[in-house]
Amino acid sequence: EAGVVQSPRYKIIEKKQPVAFWCNPISGHNTLYWYRQNLGQGPELLIRYENEEAVDDSQLPKDRFSAERLKGVDSTLKIQPAELGDSAVYLCASSPNRQGGGYTFGSGTRLTVV
Amino acid sequence: GQQVMQIPQYQHVQEGEDFTTYCNSSTTLSNIQWYKQRPGGHPVFLIQLVKSGEVKKQKRLTFQFGEAKKNSSLHITATQTTDVGTYFCAGLYSGGGADGLTFGKGTHLIIQP
Repeated sequence: EAGVVQSPRYKIIEKKQPVAFWCNPISGHNTLYWYRQNLGQGPELLIRYENEEAVDDSQLPKDRFSAERLKGVDSTLKIQPAELGDSAVYLCASSPNRQGGGYTFGSGTRLTVV
Repeated sequence: GQQVMQIPQYQHVQEGEDFTTYCNSSTTLSNIQWYKQRPGGHPVFLIQLVKSGEVKKQKRLTFQFGEAKKNSSLHITATQTTDVGTYFCAGLYSGGGADGLTFGKGTHLIIQP
């Protein structure tokens, strides 16, 4: 089993530029999450998908962030335009369902905005 | 919103000493999970506790869930250098609010040989 696959692994962009992150969850996992982790902090939930439906995006800064999960499998998280404060690690995770069994995280995308 | 508080933020121990991290929520949790993150790595699932008062063991690691389902602890006996990393508790809340896990800020375990 490949696990949760994310790309790119690292990204450096100038402020005001757009950026996109991609995630391929574990096959059969209906629930997909995007988290943001700042240095020295715990992950913070941005959005949760149940299949292709975004069921909780209350923490997503909607003025500049968007996400989609077409066909209920792969997901893309986009920032446009990026700000300096967006520098962080963006983690994708999946689980069979919301209730439990543990999340499997991908390796993350480390974003640096300069 | 819901918050999960975790202490201590950092813990330095000599190899072979025990280590404990504590997690507390102001509201009742549906379940609590523990993750380990190695330096430069991503969080890796360790265990899930669901029942009030539950205790689970994994080799040298002992996990407890409080009777009120508001607090939890992780205890490592006789630490080894492979235990280095950050340990996060993460709570799942039933009812309203964010529907994903809410993570604590983590306890960074530093082991001196």
